[in-house]
Amino acid sequence: ELKVEQNPLFLSMQEGKNYTIYCNYSTTSDRLYWYRQDPGKSLESLFVLLSNGAVKQEGRLMASLDTKARLSTLHITAAVHDLSATYFCAVDMTGGGADGLTFGKGTHLIIQP
Amino acid sequence: DSGVTQTPKHLITATGQRVTLRCSPRSGDLSVYWYQQSLDQGLQFLIQYYNGEERAKGNILERFSAQQFPDLHSELNLSSLELGDSALYFCASSVVGLQGEKLFFGSGTQLSVL
Repeated sequence: ELKVEQNPLFLSMQEGKNYTIYCNYSTTSDRLYWYRQDPGKSLESLFVLLSNGAVKQEGRLMASLDTKARLSTLHITAAVHDLSATYFCAVDMTGGGADGLTFGKGTHLIIQP
Repeated sequence: DSGVTQTPKHLITATGQRVTLRCSPRSGDLSVYWYQQSLDQGLQFLIQYYNGEERAKGNILERFSAQQFPDLHSELNLSSLELGDSALYFCASSVVGLQGEKLFFGSGTQLSVL
């Protein structure tokens, strides 16, 4: 059974600081997804990482994938309040697309002024 | 707005009842996925349909069923409801591009079983 573990599950940080969210998974996969969810809202796709060593950046967020270590990271640079949300990583174990994505439990991120 | 439409947004019902959740995918998307989100289980994949056919099955209970119609909208039927079925149910549709397959989620149906 594929397991996806995120840590930390809760993170409170100050604006302007940097931090990293980690996502470990238990089975070989080369497709990893990061999503953002605001309270009471739906999930928004942030990044799709398709191969070992993949790095994607958008604004203050940067995601990377190490398939050998079965690890993805989501790095936040100079955090701002608007980035407060819950962040999920998800892994596709079927290899054929996004069907059957297994999600981590999410990292609830609060960024305080 | 993701372009995926789910109705109703909220549903309150009693144990033992049956409900139907509806999803309209983005225009042109052939795949529809159903996910359940609860505090204890997190986000769980239930089932996927592609162009009317069931394509993948996840942790879907036998009391639950789904179908995708010729116009590509999908319905998730939940029967003999239990308190533990209370959750947020998301539908998603997908597009395959150069960056891989990307899911677009609807706003969800919040189901409360009393």
